[in-house]
Amino acid sequence: QITLKESGPSLVKPTQTLTLTCTFSGFSLSTTGLGVGWIRQPPGKALEWLAVIYWNGDNYYSPSLKSRLTITKDTSKNQVVLTMTNMDSVDTATYYCAHRPPPYLTFDSWGQGTLVTVSS
Amino acid sequence: QSALTQPRSVSGSPGQSVTISCTGTNSDVGGYHYVSWYQQHPGRAPKLLIYDVDKRPSGVPTRFSGSKSGNTASLTISGLQADDEADYYCFSYAGFYTLLFGGGTKLTVL
Repeated sequence: QITLKESGPSLVKPTQTLTLTCTFSGFSLSTTGLGVGWIRQPPGKALEWLAVIYWNGDNYYSPSLKSRLTITKDTSKNQVVLTMTNMDSVDTATYYCAHRPPPYLTFDSWGQGTLVTVSS
Repeated sequence: QSALTQPRSVSGSPGQSVTISCTGTNSDVGGYHYVSWYQQHPGRAPKLLIYDVDKRPSGVPTRFSGSKSGNTASLTISGLQADDEADYYCFSYAGFYTLLFGGGTKLTVL
């Protein structure tokens, strides 16, 4: 059974850097083709894909946020970390991590999400 | 890179069928066979309903079906049930290793 859980601060100040950790079980990020992605959703708004990292370390970002995002993995800890710099109030959202099953370009299992509020 | 275009809302009565459209471009929806659909109930994480345009994951009822024509993908829900009332999002590969969601559609079961 695949499970994912997001963790990190619930409140960050404007201009700060956000660091979120996705801790997962039921799969290994060393499996060929497998990936873990991050998606966010501002309150009452649509989902937005942020980033994905693959088993081989390749990572890809939303073009509109690429300059602010970094995604890394620690295969031994079953964790994926997303950092987002220069946080602003518009970044207030629920942040989800999700499992990308090989060879499909989709996310089939999601974490419960973590709400991050940006406020001074 | 703009979000895929979905109607903001659709509605139907129990037992009826509804179709939700998702319009993109030939750089995303029209260019690849990689469209997914998600269902999201309030306060919950999205649930995968359809992937690769028309494939259903194990456990998803056959009432949910997907299709694509040109730059528009569609999700059809037949035999509407009260629990189908939720938000629905399309999702597509958009080339150059990027991914794109639609703006979401709120389904109301009358």
